[in-house]
Amino acid sequence: SQQGEEDPQALSIQEGENATMNCSYKTSINNLQWYRQNSGRGLVHLILIRSNEREKHSGRLRVTLDTSKKSSSLLITASRAADTASYFCATDSQGAQKLVFGQGTRLTINP
Amino acid sequence: NAGVTQTPKFQVLKTGQSMTLQCAQDMNHEYMSWYRQDPGMGLRLIHYSVGAGITDQGEVPNGYNVSRSTTEDFPLRLLSAAPSQTSVYFCASSYGNRGGQYTQYFGPGTRLTVL
Repeated sequence: SQQGEEDPQALSIQEGENATMNCSYKTSINNLQWYRQNSGRGLVHLILIRSNEREKHSGRLRVTLDTSKKSSSLLITASRAADTASYFCATDSQGAQKLVFGQGTRLTINP
Repeated sequence: NAGVTQTPKFQVLKTGQSMTLQCAQDMNHEYMSWYRQDPGMGLRLIHYSVGAGITDQGEVPNGYNVSRSTTEDFPLRLLSAAPSQTSVYFCASSYGNRGGQYTQYFGPGTRLTVL
């Protein structure tokens, strides 16, 4: 079963615009992570936010977490062509060793 | 460090054949996992290990076996390949709960086709 559900499934924007993608989950978590996957590659960790945090920044990335709504969002500011990828959220509701991934948001940045 | 390595990168099998997907990491990580990724879907956990000699089932374990005799290696065995096992397989490792380091490091994947 998929714990995280990303929205939208696909997003296409112009270079320089901001991209926002959302993740909802069903059961309580200790932390939530976001990963990026370039076409044909493995996943790369972007950022982790703990359940007692509401917002976290890393470069052009901003992640928010609302545990009352069981949702998280990933904002990429000033998008670049190199940001074109699929983005996945992952939760540890079943334990740190059993991450559960959502289906992902496919982001396309148009030059 | 090489990180997480997987071999082979591509494999074609016939129904009923068996094979082993290799995974190795050189980061002294405790946790290792195998996932499969089907088109348009996220990753689903097949099996995982929290240390040498310790393995457990994930969400979709049927048709797969694992063992973990060393910290570095975590091979995935397909016992009798079926077309439903056509997928991309990813191996991942992490420090686990040590110091709250939950980040998983992924290998490049093995693309498997079963005819």
